[in-house]
Amino acid sequence: SYELTQPPSVSVSPRQTVRITCSGDALSNQYAYWFQQKPGQAPVLVIYKDSERPSGIPERFSGSNSGTTATLTISGVQAEDEADYYCQSTDRHGSYYVFGSGTKVTVL
Amino acid sequence: EVLLVESGGGLVQPGGSLRLSCAASGFSFRTYSMSWVRQAPGKGLEWVSAINSDSAFIYHGDSVKGRFTTSRDNARNSLFLHMNSLRVEDMAVYYCARIATSGISHPFDYWGRGTLVTVSS
Repeated sequence: SYELTQPPSVSVSPRQTVRITCSGDALSNQYAYWFQQKPGQAPVLVIYKDSERPSGIPERFSGSNSGTTATLTISGVQAEDEADYYCQSTDRHGSYYVFGSGTKVTVL
Repeated sequence: EVLLVESGGGLVQPGGSLRLSCAASGFSFRTYSMSWVRQAPGKGLEWVSAINSDSAFIYHGDSVKGRFTTSRDNARNSLFLHMNSLRVEDMAVYYCARIATSGISHPFDYWGRGTLVTVSS
């Protein structure tokens, strides 16, 4: 079965860079997607197809996938980036979807 | 503007049933696959189900398989989740999400604000 592992939390100072990892065997041949969720709000897609950024998402958000580990990088972190971040993947046919357990990003 | 609005949540006793709806607007609903994703209080996201554009393919996660059914009405731009034999662990905010399939890429690109299902006696 698909499982995705994320660190529970990371802390970062404003204007620094934070990297959030997501590990899972499924990522070796499937895309990774990343979502940002702020308290009381619905998730927002910030990265799709490993490294693509949807329209309206700031350039400081970037993604990569090295095989079994996907990484979301936020460069020049701002206070508004404090949120929970979830990675997600799916099988080739879109018949099974899995989320990572989420990483809480705290901006110091 | 893409808009997804869920409704139908509420309080239900264990073993009971509930039907959630998602009203879609601002895009060609009939051409997109759709999904339900839930989030228990204080917990992470969990995929519940997905349905393709013409209802030919419907998939459910292991935790709801056999108890939940997903359907859609393209004429009414609506997505539904029929939940039976509800358990305390099904208590969550249920989100409707659009799937922007492109080849083997299936991102959830738009989400509704969710509807809360409470399962309690």
